[in-house]
Amino acid sequence: QVQLQESGPGLLKPSETLSLTCSVSGGSVSSGDYYWGWIRQSPGKGLEWIGSIYRSGSTFSNPSVKSRVTISIDSSNNQFSLTLTSVTATDTGVYYCARPAMTAAGIDAFEMWGQGTLVIVSS
Amino acid sequence: SYVLTQPPSVSVAPGQTARIPCGGNNIGGKTVHWYLQKPGQAPVLVVYDDSDRPSGIPERFSGSNSGNTATLTISRVEVGDEADYYCQVWHSSSVVFGGGTKLTVL
Repeated sequence: QVQLQESGPGLLKPSETLSLTCSVSGGSVSSGDYYWGWIRQSPGKGLEWIGSIYRSGSTFSNPSVKSRVTISIDSSNNQFSLTLTSVTATDTGVYYCARPAMTAAGIDAFEMWGQGTLVIVSS
Repeated sequence: SYVLTQPPSVSVAPGQTARIPCGGNNIGGKTVHWYLQKPGQAPVLVVYDDSDRPSGIPERFSGSNSGNTATLTISRVEVGDEADYYCQVWHSSSVVFGGGTKLTVL
């Protein structure tokens, strides 16, 4: 059973850079036709996709944050990471990493989720 | 950008059928996925590829998709089905989520 676990600082100041890592166990980020994803949820709001990465390093990202987002993959440590620059209070929320179901697309229909990590941006 | 429209709330009595719509321009031409999310928990995929269910999801959960509306149907609703429900599609190289519908079981 694949398990995902997010880690990273929970409190940031405006203009700082958010860095999160998703550690994967029970499976490999280097295998399968999946795009591993990052999704966030502001307090009391809905889900917002941030971006996704394939084992080759190919990425897609949400146009709303594309200029500030970098997603990378580390096969040797079986993890993938999110970097979000110049954070503001609107970046506050719970950040999830996720893996799609084994569908033909392999890029959405997120079946496996981490428990989520709360990130607060405040001065 | 592509917009998925969901009603903020749907209410249903236990044992009845709940239908949660997700509207989008020609959404019938896309593949729709559905998630439920309970407070303080990560989302759970309940329907993918319009109408398939992941392992472990009860048959009470079903999906359909045609024209400009996709629908998640929950038969024989239970109190434990109370949650927020989100539809999701892939459009123009982006994952798009609907705004979510809060299902209340009266």
